[in-house]
Amino acid sequence: KAGVTQTPRYLIKTRGQQVTLSCSPISGHRSVSWYQQTPGQGLQFLFEYFSETQRNKGNFPGRFSGRQFSNSRSEMNVSTLELGDSALYLCASSFIGGGSYNEQFFGPGTRLTVL
Amino acid sequence: SQQGEEDPQALSIQEGENATMNCSYKTSINNLQWYRQNSGRGLVHLILIRSNEREKHSGRLRVTLDTSKKSSSLLITASRAADTASYFCATENTGGYQKVTFGTGTKLQVIP
Repeated sequence: KAGVTQTPRYLIKTRGQQVTLSCSPISGHRSVSWYQQTPGQGLQFLFEYFSETQRNKGNFPGRFSGRQFSNSRSEMNVSTLELGDSALYLCASSFIGGGSYNEQFFGPGTRLTVL
Repeated sequence: SQQGEEDPQALSIQEGENATMNCSYKTSINNLQWYRQNSGRGLVHLILIRSNEREKHSGRLRVTLDTSKKSSSLLITASRAADTASYFCATENTGGYQKVTFGTGTKLQVIP
Protein backbone atom coordinates (compact mmCIF):
# COMPACT_ATOMS: atom_id res chain seq x y z
CA LYS A 1 0.00 0.00 0.00
CA ALA A 2 1.16 3.51 -0.69
CA GLY A 3 1.91 5.56 2.39
CA VAL A 4 0.49 8.90 3.41
CA THR A 5 1.37 11.55 0.88
CA GLN A 6 1.47 15.28 1.43
CA THR A 7 1.73 18.03 -1.14
CA PRO A 8 3.52 20.27 -1.57
CA ARG A 9 6.63 19.23 0.35
CA TYR A 10 7.96 22.77 0.60
CA LEU A 11 6.20 26.10 0.43
CA ILE A 12 7.29 29.70 0.82
CA LYS A 13 4.67 32.38 1.39
CA THR A 14 4.58 35.95 2.64
CA ARG A 15 2.68 37.35 5.58
CA GLY A 16 -0.99 37.92 4.93
CA GLN A 17 -1.27 35.29 2.22
CA GLN A 18 -3.20 32.08 2.57
CA VAL A 19 -2.10 28.54 1.93
CA THR A 20 -3.70 25.16 1.31
CA LEU A 21 -1.96 21.91 2.13
CA SER A 22 -3.10 18.52 0.92
CA CYS A 23 -2.95 15.07 2.44
CA SER A 24 -3.84 11.72 0.91
CA PRO A 25 -4.23 9.01 3.54
CA ILE A 26 -3.46 5.35 3.17
CA SER A 27 -6.15 3.57 1.21
CA GLY A 28 -8.91 2.46 3.56
CA HIS A 29 -8.02 4.89 6.33
CA ARG A 30 -10.88 7.19 7.22
CA SER A 31 -9.30 9.24 10.00
CA VAL A 32 -6.92 12.06 9.10
CA SER A 33 -5.22 14.23 11.69
CA TRP A 34 -3.10 17.32 11.23
CA TYR A 35 -0.22 18.47 13.41
CA GLN A 36 2.04 21.51 13.50
CA GLN A 37 5.65 21.03 14.52
CA THR A 38 7.89 23.93 15.49
CA PRO A 39 11.15 24.02 17.45
CA GLY A 40 9.57 26.18 20.14
CA GLN A 41 6.17 24.52 20.61
CA GLY A 42 6.95 20.99 19.53
CA LEU A 43 4.22 18.83 18.00
CA GLN A 44 0.78 20.32 18.38
CA PHE A 45 -2.49 18.73 17.35
CA LEU A 46 -4.54 20.85 14.96
CA PHE A 47 -7.62 18.77 14.17
CA GLU A 48 -8.88 15.38 13.15
CA TYR A 49 -11.37 14.47 10.45
CA PHE A 50 -13.32 11.26 10.24
CA SER A 51 -15.81 10.55 7.47
CA GLU A 52 -15.75 14.17 6.30
CA THR A 53 -16.53 15.52 9.79
CA GLN A 54 -14.19 17.36 12.10
CA ARG A 55 -14.24 15.24 15.21
CA ASN A 56 -11.50 16.72 17.38
CA LYS A 57 -9.84 20.08 17.45
CA GLY A 58 -6.72 21.49 19.05
CA ASN A 59 -6.19 24.94 20.45
CA PHE A 60 -5.49 26.92 17.30
CA PRO A 61 -7.09 30.14 16.04
CA GLY A 62 -9.83 30.11 13.44
CA ARG A 63 -7.31 30.99 10.72
CA PHE A 64 -6.54 27.30 10.67
CA SER A 65 -9.22 25.24 9.04
CA GLY A 66 -9.56 21.99 7.22
CA ARG A 67 -11.86 19.66 5.43
CA GLN A 68 -12.08 16.08 4.31
CA PHE A 69 -13.49 14.76 1.09
CA SER A 70 -15.53 11.65 0.45
CA ASN A 71 -12.37 9.78 -0.64
CA SER A 72 -10.81 10.63 2.76
CA ARG A 73 -8.31 13.05 1.25
CA SER A 74 -7.93 16.09 3.44
CA GLU A 75 -6.89 19.68 3.00
CA MET A 76 -5.73 22.17 5.56
CA ASN A 77 -5.99 25.90 5.02
CA VAL A 78 -4.26 28.71 6.84
CA SER A 79 -5.46 32.21 6.10
CA THR A 80 -3.73 35.53 6.81
CA LEU A 81 -0.37 33.89 7.38
CA GLU A 82 1.83 35.09 10.21
CA LEU A 83 5.56 34.60 10.67
CA GLY A 84 4.84 32.23 13.54
CA ASP A 85 3.01 29.88 11.19
CA SER A 86 6.34 28.76 9.76
CA ALA A 87 6.48 25.10 10.66
CA LEU A 88 6.45 21.52 9.51
CA TYR A 89 2.84 20.46 9.00
CA LEU A 90 2.30 16.76 9.41
CA CYS A 91 -0.66 14.72 8.39
CA ALA A 92 -1.44 11.31 9.85
CA SER A 93 -4.00 8.71 8.91
CA SER A 94 -5.45 5.92 10.97
CA PHE A 95 -7.55 2.90 10.06
CA ILE A 96 -9.88 3.11 13.01
CA GLY A 97 -10.59 6.59 14.24
CA GLY A 98 -13.67 5.98 16.28
CA GLY A 99 -13.43 5.98 20.05
CA SER A 100 -9.87 4.97 20.60
CA TYR A 101 -6.90 5.73 18.42
CA ASN A 102 -4.79 3.09 16.89
CA GLU A 103 -1.48 3.48 15.16
CA GLN A 104 -1.19 6.67 13.17
CA PHE A 105 0.76 6.66 9.92
CA PHE A 106 2.46 9.95 9.22
CA GLY A 107 3.26 11.61 5.95
CA PRO A 108 6.62 13.29 5.27
CA GLY A 109 5.20 16.71 6.06
CA THR A 110 4.97 20.07 4.33
CA ARG A 111 7.61 22.58 5.32
CA LEU A 112 5.96 26.02 5.28
CA THR A 113 8.10 29.13 5.50
CA VAL A 114 6.40 32.49 5.96
CA LEU A 115 8.50 35.54 5.07
CA SER B 1 0.00 22.90 24.90
CA GLN B 2 2.16 19.88 25.62
CA GLN B 3 0.63 17.08 27.63
CA GLY B 4 3.80 15.13 28.05
CA GLU B 5 7.18 16.03 29.32
CA GLU B 6 10.00 13.80 28.28
CA ASP B 7 13.33 13.40 29.86
CA PRO B 8 16.07 13.57 29.17
CA GLN B 9 15.76 16.15 26.41
CA ALA B 10 18.90 14.74 24.84
CA LEU B 11 20.80 11.52 25.29
CA SER B 12 24.11 10.41 23.81
CA ILE B 13 25.26 6.81 24.14
CA GLN B 14 27.68 4.37 22.56
CA GLU B 15 26.48 1.74 20.13
CA GLY B 16 25.51 -1.42 21.99
CA GLU B 17 24.41 0.39 25.14
CA ASN B 18 20.80 0.64 26.30
CA ALA B 19 18.84 3.88 26.06
CA THR B 20 16.01 4.79 28.41
CA MET B 21 13.61 7.66 27.84
CA ASN B 22 10.83 8.76 30.16
CA CYS B 23 7.52 10.44 29.53
CA SER B 24 5.22 12.02 32.09
CA TYR B 25 1.71 13.22 31.35
CA LYS B 26 -1.04 15.08 33.18
CA THR B 27 -4.50 13.73 32.44
CA SER B 28 -6.24 10.37 32.21
CA ILE B 29 -5.45 8.47 29.05
CA ASN B 30 -6.84 5.68 26.87
CA ASN B 31 -3.44 4.76 25.54
CA LEU B 32 0.10 5.98 25.12
CA GLN B 33 2.17 5.62 21.99
CA TRP B 34 5.83 6.07 21.18
CA TYR B 35 7.05 7.46 17.86
CA ARG B 36 10.41 8.01 16.24
CA GLN B 37 11.30 10.93 13.98
CA ASN B 38 14.41 11.18 11.86
CA SER B 39 15.73 14.66 11.01
CA GLY B 40 12.49 16.62 10.72
CA ARG B 41 10.70 13.98 8.68
CA GLY B 42 7.41 12.27 9.39
CA LEU B 43 6.96 10.21 12.51
CA VAL B 44 7.10 6.43 12.62
CA HIS B 45 4.94 4.56 15.09
CA LEU B 46 6.91 2.27 17.38
CA ILE B 47 4.56 0.85 19.96
CA LEU B 48 1.17 1.44 21.62
CA ILE B 49 0.36 0.55 25.21
CA ARG B 50 -3.19 0.74 26.53
CA SER B 51 -4.08 2.19 29.91
CA ASN B 52 -4.81 -1.27 31.35
CA GLU B 53 -1.40 -2.63 30.31
CA ARG B 54 1.79 -2.28 32.31
CA GLU B 55 4.47 -3.48 29.93
CA LYS B 56 4.92 -4.24 26.25
CA HIS B 57 7.76 -5.51 24.13
CA SER B 58 8.51 -5.17 20.46
CA GLY B 59 11.87 -6.39 19.24
CA ARG B 60 14.53 -4.35 21.04
CA LEU B 61 11.90 -2.02 22.50
CA ARG B 62 10.35 -2.30 25.92
CA VAL B 63 7.69 0.11 27.12
CA THR B 64 6.30 0.41 30.61
CA LEU B 65 3.29 2.38 31.78
CA ASP B 66 2.48 3.44 35.32
CA THR B 67 -0.90 5.15 35.31
CA SER B 68 -0.72 5.88 39.04
CA LYS B 69 2.37 7.99 38.42
CA LYS B 70 1.21 9.12 34.99
CA SER B 71 4.48 8.08 33.45
CA SER B 72 5.92 5.79 30.82
CA SER B 73 9.38 4.71 29.81
CA LEU B 74 10.85 3.49 26.55
CA LEU B 75 13.89 1.25 26.69
CA ILE B 76 15.91 0.52 23.55
CA THR B 77 18.32 -2.32 24.12
CA ALA B 78 21.57 -2.92 22.26
CA SER B 79 21.33 0.42 20.48
CA ARG B 80 22.55 0.93 16.92
CA ALA B 81 23.67 4.02 15.05
CA ALA B 82 20.43 3.78 13.04
CA ASP B 83 18.47 4.40 16.26
CA THR B 84 19.70 7.99 16.23
CA ALA B 85 16.49 10.04 16.09
CA SER B 86 14.03 11.99 18.20
CA TYR B 87 11.57 9.94 20.20
CA PHE B 88 8.14 11.21 21.20
CA CYS B 89 5.44 9.89 23.44
CA ALA B 90 1.84 10.67 22.53
CA THR B 91 -1.19 10.24 24.73
CA GLU B 92 -4.76 9.74 23.70
CA ASN B 93 -6.72 11.55 26.38
CA THR B 94 -10.01 10.30 27.75
CA GLY B 95 -11.81 13.58 27.48
CA GLY B 96 -11.45 17.23 26.73
CA TYR B 97 -11.11 19.17 23.59
CA GLN B 98 -7.74 17.94 22.39
CA LYS B 99 -7.70 14.24 21.87
CA VAL B 100 -4.06 13.52 21.16
CA THR B 101 -1.07 15.31 22.65
CA PHE B 102 2.63 14.75 22.06
CA GLY B 103 5.47 15.07 24.48
CA THR B 104 8.44 17.33 24.01
CA GLY B 105 10.66 14.56 22.69
CA THR B 106 14.05 13.10 23.48
CA LYS B 107 16.90 13.45 20.99
CA LEU B 108 18.90 10.26 21.01
CA GLN B 109 22.35 10.08 19.50
CA VAL B 110 23.99 6.69 19.19
CA ILE B 111 27.71 6.94 18.54
CA PRO B 112 29.17 4.14 16.42
